[in-house]
Amino acid sequence: GNSVTQMEGPVTLSEEAFLTINCTYTATGYPSLFWYVQYPGEGLQLLLKATKADDKGSNKGFEATYRKETTSFHLEKGSVQVSDSAVYFCALRGVTGRRALTFGSGTRLQVQP
Amino acid sequence: KAGVTQTPRYLIKTRGQQVTLSCSPISGHRSVSWYQQTPGQGLQFLFEYFSETQRNKGNFPGRFSGRQFSNSRSEMNVSTLELGDSALYLCASSFFWTEGSTDTQYFGPGTRLTVL
Repeated sequence: GNSVTQMEGPVTLSEEAFLTINCTYTATGYPSLFWYVQYPGEGLQLLLKATKADDKGSNKGFEATYRKETTSFHLEKGSVQVSDSAVYFCALRGVTGRRALTFGSGTRLQVQP
Repeated sequence: KAGVTQTPRYLIKTRGQQVTLSCSPISGHRSVSWYQQTPGQGLQFLFEYFSETQRNKGNFPGRFSGRQFSNSRSEMNVSTLELGDSALYLCASSFFWTEGSTDTQYFGPGTRLTVL
């Protein structure tokens, strides 16, 4: 079945530091890949997505590239802000069978001023 | 364009009771999915509805049920509540439901259910 593995958190960074959150997946074929962000007390917000190999999703300074050869979709940002403090979820959606999103366990990011 | 709305935002129930949660999708979206989020199990898929028909179901007991109305609004029901049902229940909508589609699911703010 489908699965997503994310790096354990929390990740604590100083403002303006470089961010990487690792995400690898297991799935049949070419799933769509997503990063969602959850701020305290809120639901999930779509951050970015990629639907085929070598696609790069980007939004609000965050980027992730769909790497089929390494089955990875790592999230990066060049300079984090305090306002980026949240929980980040990597997810995939298969193209056959059940279309439900399969989520990783989430990575909490804490950015200190 | 209004986002996904969920009501109520917070609920407190006692064991054995039942509860109904409501979700209104983004205008024009016809597919609604439900997820349960808990600290221990993370985010787990409950079910997905499209055109008033359940299309997919996750691995939850029969106490969890749902339905979708002709205007695409959806409700989920949990009967005979257990302490372990305390969770954030998230609804997500997307435009359509077809095999192989890559449409995005957009989430609502969730309903926080506490079972005492």
